[in-house]
Amino acid sequence: EPEVTQTPSHQVTQMGQEVILRCVPISNHLYFYWYRQILGQKVEFLVSFYNNEISEKSEIFDDQFSVERPDGSNFTLKIRSTKLEDSAMYFCASSPETYGYTFGSGTRLTVV
Amino acid sequence: AQSVTQPDIHITVSEGASLELRCNYSYGATPYLFWYVQSPGQGLQLLLKYFSGDTLVQGIKGFEAEFKRSQSSFNLRKPSVHWSDAAEYFCAVAFMEYGNKLVFGAGTILRVKS
Repeated sequence: EPEVTQTPSHQVTQMGQEVILRCVPISNHLYFYWYRQILGQKVEFLVSFYNNEISEKSEIFDDQFSVERPDGSNFTLKIRSTKLEDSAMYFCASSPETYGYTFGSGTRLTVV
Repeated sequence: AQSVTQPDIHITVSEGASLELRCNYSYGATPYLFWYVQSPGQGLQLLLKYFSGDTLVQGIKGFEAEFKRSQSSFNLRKPSVHWSDAAEYFCAVAFMEYGNKLVFGAGTILRVKS
């Protein structure tokens, strides 16, 4: 069964450093998403991406965040200057149409 | 704002007993409803989803859920729980009127005692 692949599975970074989280969505999917889950809290929507542009973003997704689909297969989330409160599990998801989400296994980001 | 409520933070059931996890959502004429399961340190696995049609939907691992529009609910059920069902369960809703993002509930942690 096709999977959404996320790398790395764990990332530790110093506060203030830039970090890039990588995702390979399912190949024929058109919609891409990032969600995050702070430890012990609910999963929160960050951003959706369609047709090479952001289609929707949450209040969390401020100027420190950006997304990119640099080639035909990868979908990345960049955090420019990480803060302690960015520590969370970040999930990538993709879907072939509007509501058929498949989630990756997540990247646990720890900011120290 | 759109919201999803899972009123039970923890539930403990005996192996072999039946299970019902509750989920309610805020207003929305056209909700698309999902249940996900997450084992510790793992990703989100889709158990089942409801878009339209028969309001009782069957999912993987013997789970089912029933959509009740009048109660704005989408409760998850399983007739006989197995020890391997111990995990955290998330209800999620997409409201078509508000784009295609998923709004998640806070989750219910299921413990299974033998």
